[in-house]
Amino acid sequence: QVQLVESGGGVVQPGRSLRLSCEVSGFTFSDYAFHWVRQDPGKGLEWVAIISYDGSQKYYADSVKGRFTISKDNSKNTLFLQMNSLRVEDTALYYCARGSPGWYSDYWGQGTLVTVSS
Amino acid sequence: EIVMTQSPVSLSVSPGERATLSCRASQSVGRNLAWYKQKPGQAPRLLIYDASTRAPGIPARFSGSGSGTEFTLTISSLQSEDFAIYYCQQYNNWPLFGGGTKVEIK
Repeated sequence: QVQLVESGGGVVQPGRSLRLSCEVSGFTFSDYAFHWVRQDPGKGLEWVAIISYDGSQKYYADSVKGRFTISKDNSKNTLFLQMNSLRVEDTALYYCARGSPGWYSDYWGQGTLVTVSS
Repeated sequence: EIVMTQSPVSLSVSPGERATLSCRASQSVGRNLAWYKQKPGQAPRLLIYDASTRAPGIPARFSGSGSGTEFTLTISSLQSEDFAIYYCQQYNNWPLFGGGTKVEIK
């Protein structure tokens, strides 16, 4: 059974950092790319970042480029999102999602909430 | 930069009726388009990828069509569990979602 479980969200002040994790089970983690997608509560979906199956390629939305870093640890079946210099507008529910060969997402976690507020 | 526009923003449909949702891209995305369904408090669920291929486990009442800039998701006979928000997503380049269509009970 495919499972993705995010953790690490919380309340943080603007300018501070936070690291999200996504533990994966039910399939071979190292065979897949992964996305982070966020959703402002009550609003739409925004793609944040993608990492290739081997971690060699990483791409980011313009809104987070230079501040967020996506990574994966194939030995621990875990995906990460390091978020630095957080802004109020980064407040959202952050989902990890398994990537397909075509960059759509076929399985999603339940999300972890990040609130950036002073 | 590509813009994805979904219409209508909301749609009121009676159970058993047909629903037709549209997604338009500001430039061609080929057939690199997916549809997702999201119910309140839940993560999105993949319905359709490559414009018209149903994801595993998705009922046949869901169908996708289109290519280039114009796409359609059709739900042939709405069931109670189908009342939700539907998002399209292009992945011809950086993934980008449309704003969503909310399907409500009439």
